[in-house]
Amino acid sequence: DTAVSQTPKYLVTQMGNDKSIKCEQNLGHDTMYWYKQDSKKFLKIMFSYNNKELIINETVPNRFSPKSPDKAHLNLHINSLELGDSAVYFCASSPLAGLAKNIQYFGAGTRLSVL
Amino acid sequence: EDQVTQSPEALRLQEGESSSLNCSYTVSGLRGLFWYRQDPGKGPEFLFTLYSAGEEKEKERLKATLTKKESFLHITAPKPEDSATYLCAVQAGRDFNKFYFGSGTKLNVKP
Repeated sequence: DTAVSQTPKYLVTQMGNDKSIKCEQNLGHDTMYWYKQDSKKFLKIMFSYNNKELIINETVPNRFSPKSPDKAHLNLHINSLELGDSAVYFCASSPLAGLAKNIQYFGAGTRLSVL
Repeated sequence: EDQVTQSPEALRLQEGESSSLNCSYTVSGLRGLFWYRQDPGKGPEFLFTLYSAGEEKEKERLKATLTKKESFLHITAPKPEDSATYLCAVQAGRDFNKFYFGSGTKLNVKP
């Protein structure tokens, strides 16, 4: 039973299209995240939600819009896709918001390729 | 600017050949340092958390240590199944939900 699941695993699309990535966690965690992993393997935080409330919003183009319908789901919608958006996007969740012992549990990633 | 640097970028070892991976950081107000393992096509998997200089954690062939400026992941007598990318992340400052990741060390253990 997958703890943090993302769909789709692979996404190939044309420049200018709009796409969404979905994430669900069944761990009962309050906090969820979106990360972008570039070709050099750096994981950079994009957004974080705590119980459906946005708590971290890094310097990300406003073409990226996260949505959390409930604390178990965090989706990422991307408008007007650009070549530079090609990367692996990871969803993660953690049990403890606002505390130091904040271990993150990651999904398997969504590999986005913009042509 | 807060920064996390891992070295080496890649490491090839023979089975049984012990070595260490390094994670150096320049952050203000370290809250915690985390080590993760990432296998190809998968998300990072948690290994250890360290909170203060001098702390050590062990798990099977892995041992993580922490000083005020860096952390080491020591691998003793590695096996081929230890091959993976090892990532470190730091949690710093007042925002407990923000983590800074290094670019990882890709470890390849040959039988």
